[in-house]
Amino acid sequence: KQEVTQIPAALSVPEGENLVLNCSFTDSAIYNLQWFRQDPGKGLTSLLLIQSSQREQTSGRLNASLDKSSGRSTLYIAASQPGDSATYLCAVNTGFQKLVFGTGTRLLVSP
Amino acid sequence: NAGVTQTPKFRVLKTGQSMTLLCAQDMNHEYMYWYRQDPGMGLRLIHYSVGEGTTAKGEVPDGYNVSRLKKQNFLLGLESAAPSQTSVYFCASSSRRGANVLTFGAGSRLTVL
Repeated sequence: KQEVTQIPAALSVPEGENLVLNCSFTDSAIYNLQWFRQDPGKGLTSLLLIQSSQREQTSGRLNASLDKSSGRSTLYIAASQPGDSATYLCAVNTGFQKLVFGTGTRLLVSP
Repeated sequence: NAGVTQTPKFRVLKTGQSMTLLCAQDMNHEYMYWYRQDPGMGLRLIHYSVGEGTTAKGEVPDGYNVSRLKKQNFLLGLESAAPSQTSVYFCASSSRRGANVLTFGAGSRLTVL
């Protein structure tokens, strides 16, 4: 059974810091991996999707990497801003876009 | 530009009552999903559909039923609500083609007393 773990569960940093969020999964047979952002009381917003054949994807200040063989992904956020404060979720696609989610990392960026 | 719309947004039920959550998408997506989100457990897939008239079980299907009579709608039913079904429910949809990015609704918070 696929299991997804995210470390740390919570992270607090001052504005301007670069930071890395970690995601690990137990079964390397995935189609893709997605990173989502969730604001309190809101739905999920897709940030980046990495296909299983790719090593990384970039969007603005965000960079996500994927090492399928070791079952790991990282989300790198450059020059963090208070507006980045949210919960970040990673999820692996096990087929038909059925996603298995991690429990998330709650990020707080202080001004 | 509605995307994925869930109704209702909030509902309080008594144990044993029934209700239906409605999900509607206007993106002509083939795939639709129902997830539940509970504290400390992440999102878990309840049921999903890969096309009109089709449904399949996800990770936690017990106590729920679904129907996809029209391509744009995916209904989640609770026949006899239990306190363990207190949760936030999210609907999502995805195209079969392209980048396969899931689009989520804003969620429906259900409390069963």
